[in-house]
Amino acid sequence: AQSVTQLGSHVSVSEGALVLLRCNYSSSVPPYLFWYVQYPNQGLQLLLKYTTGATLVKGINGFEAEFKKSETSFHLTKPSAHMSDAAEYFCANSGGSNYKLTFGKGTLLTVNP
Amino acid sequence: GAGVSQSPSNKVTEKGKDVELRCDPISGHTALYWYRQSLGQGLEFLIYFQGNSAPDKSGLPSDRFSAERTGGSVSTLTIQRTQQEDSAVYLCASSQLAGNSYEQYFGPGTRLTVT
Repeated sequence: AQSVTQLGSHVSVSEGALVLLRCNYSSSVPPYLFWYVQYPNQGLQLLLKYTTGATLVKGINGFEAEFKKSETSFHLTKPSAHMSDAAEYFCANSGGSNYKLTFGKGTLLTVNP
Repeated sequence: GAGVSQSPSNKVTEKGKDVELRCDPISGHTALYWYRQSLGQGLEFLIYFQGNSAPDKSGLPSDRFSAERTGGSVSTLTIQRTQQEDSAVYLCASSQLAGNSYEQYFGPGTRLTVT
């Protein structure tokens, strides 16, 4: 069985500050890891994904994430937060299934002016 | 091009009634997925379609839930005898093919409220 844990249901940062959203996974098979963003009353949009290869993955809107197998982590970062980054972020894993996404509980990011 | 669309966007129903939720995937996408987003359970997989067949129904929570897909396109999720615990946002996604290399594109969801 696989699971995804997002530490912190709510993260608040100031505009211009570093954004760090934490994700840890548990998987008996190699993971395929994703970060999605959800704006209010909208569906999920893919930010970035790790399948194989390079462990530092760059995504849209200046976000990146690093796959660390030894720490079973896939934390999402952005050097400088913008007000437009305020949204809910979901980490997901589809390892073992090839299509079924197992999601974390989500982290609500608030950006303060 | 057009994204995944879902209708209705909001549905309020009385306990015990049946509801149908519709999903129009991106044209040409052969794989279609239903997920449920609720406060207590977060985002959960419900069912996956490849073409018109559903090889994985493992996430459907009870036999009150069913889904079909016709013409390899539109899908309908039906909930019979709705219960209050069915209140959630039901999200549909589609991808060109099934597999981790293929991005799942999500619709805006249908918010179901059972009173």
